[in-house]
Amino acid sequence: NAGVTQTPKFQVLKTGQSMTLQCAQDMNHNSMYWYRQDPGMGLRLIYYSASEGTTDKGEVPNGYNVSRLNKREFSLRLESAAPSQTSVYFCASTPLAGVWEQFFGPGTRLTVL
Amino acid sequence: TQLLEQSPQFLSIQEGENLTVYCNSSSVFSSLQWYRQEPGEGPVLLVTVVTGGEVKKLKRLTFQFGDARKDSSLHITAAQPGDTGLYLCAGPPSSNTGKLIFGQGTTLQVKP
Repeated sequence: NAGVTQTPKFQVLKTGQSMTLQCAQDMNHNSMYWYRQDPGMGLRLIYYSASEGTTDKGEVPNGYNVSRLNKREFSLRLESAAPSQTSVYFCASTPLAGVWEQFFGPGTRLTVL
Repeated sequence: TQLLEQSPQFLSIQEGENLTVYCNSSSVFSSLQWYRQEPGEGPVLLVTVVTGGEVKKLKRLTFQFGDARKDSSLHITAAQPGDTGLYLCAGPPSSNTGKLIFGQGTTLQVKP
């Protein structure tokens, strides 16, 4: 089992460009999450999907959109990147909403110039 | 709003020293988790504490959940360079909305 995989690992964008961060899990988990991590601010939830077909906003959703493509995949899209979106992005999954152990991917390091 | 505050924010110690990291809240949590994140990787769950007053040991790491379930601590005995990383506490919200609450983290550097 690969667990949670994320692509790409690194990305540099110019202001205004768009991109999609991909996340997939092979653990048959129902719930998936997107976080961003900035120095001194811990992990902040962007969006989450409690189950296939549902998505909900987290703490910092502005400037992002998500798609729960199927049970395995949960993508994060930046439509018009801004320097404030420079961050490390982590995808995570849990077996069920309400089961709190989160399994994280290795992260995507995004720089917006 | 439920918050988790960790202290200290940064800790740099020599190999062999002991240390304690704290995770505090004014709210009651049904459980608290501790994650460790090594540089360039995602967080990995170390332990979940569930019962007030509970103590769990993981080799040189000792985790304690406060009696009132509002705080937790992580104590490392004889720290090693391999303990270097970011330690995060986290807890489920009372609203059970599926959004885990994270502390801001404690960065630990253990020098050889």
